Amino acid sequence: KQEVTQIPAALSVPEGENLVLNCSFTDSAIYNLQWFRQDPGKGLTSLLLIQSSQREQTSGRLNASLDKSSGRSTLYIAASQPGDSATYLCAGLIANAGGTSYGKLTFGQGTILTVHP
Amino acid sequence: DTEVTQTPKHLVMGMTNKKSLKCEQHMGHRAMYWYKQKAKKPPELMFVYSYEKLSINESVPSRFSPECPNSSLLNLHLHALQPEDSALYLCASSQKSGGVVGNEQFFGPGTRLTVL
Repeated sequence: KQEVTQIPAALSVPEGENLVLNCSFTDSAIYNLQWFRQDPGKGLTSLLLIQSSQREQTSGRLNASLDKSSGRSTLYIAASQPGDSATYLCAGLIANAGGTSYGKLTFGQGTILTVHP
Repeated sequence: DTEVTQTPKHLVMGMTNKKSLKCEQHMGHRAMYWYKQKAKKPPELMFVYSYEKLSINESVPSRFSPECPNSSLLNLHLHALQPEDSALYLCASSQKSGGVVGNEQFFGPGTRLTVL
């Protein structure tokens, strides 16, 4: 059974700091890994998607990496801003034996990020 | 347009009521999903529809009844719910190509459900 773990559970940083959020998964049979942001009481906003054949993806101040062999992904946020404060979730899409997927995202518990001015 | 819409935004219902949640996307996606999210927890998958057919039911109680009338619409019919069913219900969609249900999932804003 795929399990996804996120460290740290909560992070508080001053504005302008670069930071790294960590995600680990137990099963390397992962089709892709997706990073989301969720503001309180809101839906999920997709930040980055990394296919299993890729090692990293970048969007603006965000960079996500994927290392299937070690079962790890990281989300790097450069020059953090108060508007980045939110819960960040990573989720893996499980691949079946045929290399396709069932469509089921397995989520980590999330990292609550607070960026203070 | 990468938008998934959900209605209503908020819903309060009694345990004897029947209500429905609605989800809509116009991205041409052929896979649609229902998730349930309790406070301070990650979303949990409930159902997956692929090409308007139910492909995954994560052992969800029968008081939740999904329906996919066409490729753009997904409904969740609710009947005889319990207070513990109170949660944020999220809909998502993704492209399905080459027989693979995968690629990026896009989520709607959710329906906040309260069962009294």
